[in-house]
Amino acid sequence: AQTVTQSQPEMSVQEAETVTLSCTYDTSESDYYLFWYKQPPSRQMILVIRQEAYKQQNATENRFSVNFQKAAKSFSLKISDSQLGDAAMYFCAYIPRSGGSNYKLTFGKGTLLTVNP
Amino acid sequence: GAVVSQHPSWVICKSGTSVKIECRSLDFQATTMFWYRQFPKQSLMLMATSNEGSKATYEQGVEKDKFLINHASLTLSTLTVTSAHPEDSSFYICSATERLAGSSADTQYFGPGTRLTVL
Repeated sequence: AQTVTQSQPEMSVQEAETVTLSCTYDTSESDYYLFWYKQPPSRQMILVIRQEAYKQQNATENRFSVNFQKAAKSFSLKISDSQLGDAAMYFCAYIPRSGGSNYKLTFGKGTLLTVNP
Repeated sequence: GAVVSQHPSWVICKSGTSVKIECRSLDFQATTMFWYRQFPKQSLMLMATSNEGSKATYEQGVEKDKFLINHASLTLSTLTVTSAHPEDSSFYICSATERLAGSSADTQYFGPGTRLTVL
């Protein structure tokens, strides 16, 4: 069974600084997708970034980038120039590429990020 | 693109009544929709997977007679909590995957959630 582990229940960062959120996963699949979702106080789940396992290049989206280490099964999220609006719960998630139409996301337990002004 | 709506955003009902929650994909066709439940300060717990035109697949421990799911079209899935009780109070979130031509569905887009309170 696939598992996703976020070892940091809470993190804090000063506004304008950089923070890295950790995520490790366990799978026997070779082809899969990894995601970071953000859930602000509104509780709307927002897709932050997506990584395809067969792509070696790390995904980036503006101030958000990942460090994808496939062999180590590690998928960390770096937030640069942190803003107050980045404060949220961040969930790492995994889904295998195979498996038909019923894809199931496996979520980590989340990391609560606080941004200090 | 890829917007998912949910209605209502919050609902309060009396114990024993039924509540229906709608999930719509607004700008894409969703062949698969998912229903999650989230308790405070916890991660999302998958309840069921719903494919258009077929019966939903429920996760272990989720009562299919309690949580009725209907996916009647490519843009609408509904979750009905039947004979609701206070322990059913929770935050319910739906998501949908977009079927892209020539590829497998992969990214899930989430609705804003529905807060259910059963008195």
